[in-house]
Amino acid sequence: EAQVTQNPRYLITVTGKKLTVTCSQNMNHEYMSWYRQDPGLGLRQIYYSMNVEVTDKGDVPEGYKVSRKEKRNFPLILESPSPNQTSLYFCASSGLSGNTIYFGEGSWLTVV
Amino acid sequence: KQEVTQIPAALSVPEGENLVLNCSFTDSAIYNLQWFRQDPGKGLTSLLLIQSSQREQTSGRLNASLDKSSGRSTLYIAASQPGDSATYLCAVRPNDYKLSFGAGTTVTVRA
Repeated sequence: EAQVTQNPRYLITVTGKKLTVTCSQNMNHEYMSWYRQDPGLGLRQIYYSMNVEVTDKGDVPEGYKVSRKEKRNFPLILESPSPNQTSLYFCASSGLSGNTIYFGEGSWLTVV
Repeated sequence: KQEVTQIPAALSVPEGENLVLNCSFTDSAIYNLQWFRQDPGKGLTSLLLIQSSQREQTSGRLNASLDKSSGRSTLYIAASQPGDSATYLCAVRPNDYKLSFGAGTTVTVRA
């Protein structure tokens, strides 16, 4: 079954404590991306990757880092989380050239 | 910059009525357009993908049309059911590396 798996699904953390949200896909997709969803702002792209070791900024990359060392994994790193990063985060993947994009179940992150 | 608009923002209909959800976008240079469903607190489920060269796609009770030249897509859901209650998101893929989302239409189907 095609899957994009994110962990953790729910997390409450404190300001400044580094955290990583993992994302893994089992479809051998080249493209992976992170989005955040906020009320009134919709879904906004944070970072994306077109293949291993190829990453680039999306619309709202400040405060985030990513890496793509393996094709299946694309972790999102918050080096020093702040309350304005409280949000619902989604990982997505697809093949290239206009294929269907698949989303993970989402990770609820609260920074206090 | 691609702007995607969905109207109406919310819709409430009695069970059995057909649903019509609208999506408009500003730049017609797109790879494809995808419709998603999102249940409260859940992830996005892909419903239909329409490539830029296609005019429509159908899956069961769902039909989506695409008029690229006018920057519009419409999602039709026939004979709505309470289980269709959700937020429906339209997303345009202008290139290989991102989606531009609309704000969504929240649908309530009353039993």
